Amino acid sequence: NAGVTQTPKFRVLKTGQSMTLLCAQDMNHEYMYWYRQDPGMGLRLIHYSVGEGTTAKGEVPDGYNVSRLKKQNFLLGLESAAPSQTSVYFCASRRLAGDTGELFFGEGSRLTVL
Amino acid sequence: GQNIDQPTEMTATEGAIVQINCTYQTSGFNGLFWYQQHAGEAPTFLSYNVLDGLEEKGRFSSFLSRSKGYSYLLLKELQMKDSASYLCAVMDSNYQLIWGAGTKLIIKP
Repeated sequence: NAGVTQTPKFRVLKTGQSMTLLCAQDMNHEYMYWYRQDPGMGLRLIHYSVGEGTTAKGEVPDGYNVSRLKKQNFLLGLESAAPSQTSVYFCASRRLAGDTGELFFGEGSRLTVL
Repeated sequence: GQNIDQPTEMTATEGAIVQINCTYQTSGFNGLFWYQQHAGEAPTFLSYNVLDGLEEKGRFSSFLSRSKGYSYLLLKELQMKDSASYLCAVMDSNYQLIWGAGTKLIIKP
């Protein structure tokens, strides 16, 4: 059982380039999340989705876009990368709306913007 | 605003006991989570508390006091592999998780 899979694991971008991070989960979870994690700070929510075809902004959405065309996939896009977006990105999923179950995390994607 | 506070770093000795505290102020409360995160890896679930009291799971225990907005994670018989960051997170009234910055636990032989 793969759980939550993120690709790519590592990427180096130049300022202004674009890229997409892919998150795939095989647990039939409704909720999916994209977080960023920076040194000395907690996980910060970028965007999330409560189901196929829906997305919502989190705490730090600026500079990012997302799509959830299929239930199992949640894509995070950077249209014009900036050095401030250098971070480790984690995707996570949870079973149901209003469920107090745990989040399952992907392995993370380390992004460096030069 | 919503806030989760936990110590930045703690040091303990192998075989000893350590308590990591977490205090919170959130909009509503639907439970408190503890996650473990080894360096360079993803967070993994340790415990969930929604009612006051102590939950024990092997060497790890987690305590919650909702009236005080306080929780702690207790690690017994520390092993070198317990060196990691421990993240406290509260689920608010919208079932969203609010995360603390994490406590880096260093275990010395």
